[in-house]
Amino acid sequence: NAGVTQTPKFQVLKTGQSMTLQCAQDMNHNSMYWYRQDPGMGLRLIYYSASEGTTDKGEVPNGYNVSRLNKREFSLRLESAAPSQTSVYFCASSQPAGGVTDTQYFGPGTRLTVL
Amino acid sequence: QKEVEQNSGPLSVPEGAIASLNCTYSDRGSQSFFWYRQYSGKSPELIMFIYSNGDKEDGRFTAQLNKASQYVSLLIRDSQPSDSATYLCAVNPPRWGGYQKVTFGTGTKLQVIP
Repeated sequence: NAGVTQTPKFQVLKTGQSMTLQCAQDMNHNSMYWYRQDPGMGLRLIYYSASEGTTDKGEVPNGYNVSRLNKREFSLRLESAAPSQTSVYFCASSQPAGGVTDTQYFGPGTRLTVL
Repeated sequence: QKEVEQNSGPLSVPEGAIASLNCTYSDRGSQSFFWYRQYSGKSPELIMFIYSNGDKEDGRFTAQLNKASQYVSLLIRDSQPSDSATYLCAVNPPRWGGYQKVTFGTGTKLQVIP
């Protein structure tokens, strides 16, 4: 099993450009997440999908959109990139059981620079 | 006040010593607590989770939870240079309305000196 995969691994954009970060998991998990990680800020939740067909905003959703394409795939789109969106982006998935938060498995990350 | 607070470090310990990492949280209703390890340039990976007050041991790792004082700690016994990493504390606060979201601290960087 590949676990959680993300593409691309690195990306450089110019201000105003758009792009989509792709994430896929092969663990049959219901829940998927997008985080960004910045120095001194820790991991912050951008968007979350509890199950196929549902998405919900996290702490820092402004400037982003998401699509839960199917159970496996959860994409993050930047419509008009800004330098403030320079960050490392992690996708994660989990399978909650018994009403208790379950382990989140993280992808390798996408390192995005916006010039 | 931050929801989850950790000392950023670095915490330096000699090889073979006990490393003690601490985390405090603000929401008294939090129910689930996690420790993740993140090597430089890599993604976080779960070390342990704890739900009940007291200690939980897994190999060289012990998680300790004190809900009354709102802190959770991670002890690493017989620290090895391979333990050098940033350790992230994560808490599931009830404000998310469910059990599927966590809030992460900014992490403590641990350096184990050979």
